Amino acid sequence: GNSVTQMEGPVTLSEEAFLTINCTYTATGYPSLFWYVQYPGEGLQLLLKATKADDKGSNKGFEATYRKETTSFHLEKGSVQVSDSAVYFCALLTNTGNQFYFGTGTSLTVIP
Amino acid sequence: NAGVTQTPKFQVLKTGQSMTLQCAQDMNHEYMSWYRQDPGMGLRLIHYSVGAGITDQGEVPNGYNVSRSTTEDFPLRLLSAAPSQTSVYFCASRDPGAGDQPQHFGDGTRLSIL
Repeated sequence: GNSVTQMEGPVTLSEEAFLTINCTYTATGYPSLFWYVQYPGEGLQLLLKATKADDKGSNKGFEATYRKETTSFHLEKGSVQVSDSAVYFCALLTNTGNQFYFGTGTSLTVIP
Repeated sequence: NAGVTQTPKFQVLKTGQSMTLQCAQDMNHEYMSWYRQDPGMGLRLIHYSVGAGITDQGEVPNGYNVSRSTTEDFPLRLLSAAPSQTSVYFCASRDPGAGDQPQHFGDGTRLSIL
């Protein structure tokens, strides 16, 4: 079946620290992979995506590379800011294009 | 540029009451979905629709009904509210045409059942 596993949170970092949030997936075929971000009191917003193996998605300083050999899509940022405090969700879209599967979310708090 | 609009934003109900959560999108998206978000469980799919007149069950459909009479609207009905349905509900839509298009989410409805 299809599923997404994210690292447990919450994660607390100091400003300018390096961020990694791990995400691995199980899927049949070749899914598309996404990271969404949810700020307090808001809905989920697309952060970045990758549609095939070795693609790198990037946005706002965040990056994630689609690794088919390790079935992973880890989110990274070199220097986090207080404004990055949010919940981050990893997700996959099945290769039929019909259904999304979400991880449980990882809460990030960045302290000054 | 409204995107996906959910109403109400907050609601408190008593056990046994019924209500409808509204969702509307102005992007002419064929696919629409309802999720609930609970602590530690991420997003769970309740019901979804691939077009007007077509709906199907997701992972946790019990206690909820949906209909899709137009492309724009996808209301979620709670038939007889229970405390276990206290949650944050998100509606989402997407254009399936290009295959890997992302979902667009509303801001959510925060529902408490007493």
